[in-house]
Parts: sequence; structure tokens; C-alpha cells
Amino acid sequence: EAGVTQFPSHSVIEKGQTVTLRCDPISGHDNLYWYRRVMGKEIKFLLHFVKESKQDESGMPNNRFLAERTGGTYSTLKVQPAELEDSGVYFCASSQWGTSSGDTQYFGPGTRLTVL
Amino acid sequence: AQSVAQPEDQVNVAEGNPLTVKCTYSVSGNPYLFWYVQYPNRGLQFLLKYITGDNLVKGSYGFEAEFNKSQTSFHLKKPSALVSDSALYFCAVRDRYESSASKIIFGSGTRLSIRP
Repeated sequence: EAGVTQFPSHSVIEKGQTVTLRCDPISGHDNLYWYRRVMGKEIKFLLHFVKESKQDESGMPNNRFLAERTGGTYSTLKVQPAELEDSGVYFCASSQWGTSSGDTQYFGPGTRLTVL
Repeated sequence: AQSVAQPEDQVNVAEGNPLTVKCTYSVSGNPYLFWYVQYPNRGLQFLLKYITGDNLVKGSYGFEAEFNKSQTSFHLKKPSALVSDSALYFCAVRDRYESSASKIIFGSGTRLSIRP
């Protein structure tokens, strides 16, 4: 079974540009999550999709970040315009059951974003 | 506020010796508890989790963790360390009862270094 995949693995852009990150969850997982780790600090929650709906977007830092999951399969996270403080590693995770029963979230390899 | 503390940025252990990576948490009620590991240039891998029942949880690669409710701790342990265990380890919690308990709260990570 394929795990969570993310594309690209690395992205280097200049301040003010736009970047779109993609995440493909494990097949059959309705729940998809975005997290990020900035400057070696804690990994922070960004948002949670259940199928195509945003269940919890309390972690999104500001309106420069837009996440979508059209069709309830893969998800994209767009940063427009990118700022220096957006640099970090963006992780995607998926899970089968969501909030019940201590459901395990399985993580992808992450996208390392560098904003110059 | 919910939080996870990993008091040691780095733990150094000789191969063959037992290892412990410490984790304490501050979450109301009885949270779900997790350990994840990140090997170099890889994503986060799930190691083990505590949901309920036996306080000693066994996970992948010979790791185990002990839930201690009175001390609000969930230390990761292994009886005999391997050089291949060298990686970055994250402790994490999820609220069991919050209605939108989707987010995982991570500690800052502990770098485990096993010397031959």
C-alpha cells in the first residue's frame, strides 16, 4: 500500500512569488491534515479536511494560505504571496477514521519550502 | 493551554545500552499519546500510541513507551539501542474529548544519537 506522498520535495522561491504544494493521501483515507515545522520549532497543525470539507482550519496562519481538496482526493496548499517567515517543512498526513478511537495519522515525507 | 514538553534536545547513548527519551504533557483529561520518528531525509513515521488499557505500549523497531497519568509523562524506551535508531523523535498528544479533536500537538523533538 502506498503511503502519503507529497510534491515537490523541495521548493525554493523568492519573496512575493506563489507556490503550490500537493499532497496525495493514502487511498481510502477521508481525513487529510496539513502541518508545518518552521525554523526547527514544533510541528504545528494547519488544517483538517474530511473528504472535500474543511473540518478545522484553526491553524492557518493568515489569508495568504489557501488549502483545497476538490473531489476529496488529493489536496493542494497554496501560499500567495510567499513571505520569508513561510520557510519551513510542510507535512501532510492522512487517517481513516478521524477523531474517533485515537486514530493514527500517517505522514508524508514533507515539502521543504525556502523563501528567499 | 495544551502542550507537550521534550526536555532534552539531544540524547546520546552507546550502542547496546538502554535508551530513554522523555516526554511530559499538559492536556486536560486523558489524551491520546503518540511517538513519531523522523529519519534523515525522510518523513515522520508512526512508532506507537497509547489509547487506553495497559500503561506499557509496545511499538515498532523494539520501542516501547510507558504512560504515567500521575506524572503526565509518556517516556519512550528501548532496552538495547542500535546505531540505526539515530533519528529525531517527536512526542505528540491529541485531545480525547474536544469536539474537533483532529489536531495533533507535537513536542519540539529530541535528537537521538547512538554511538557504535
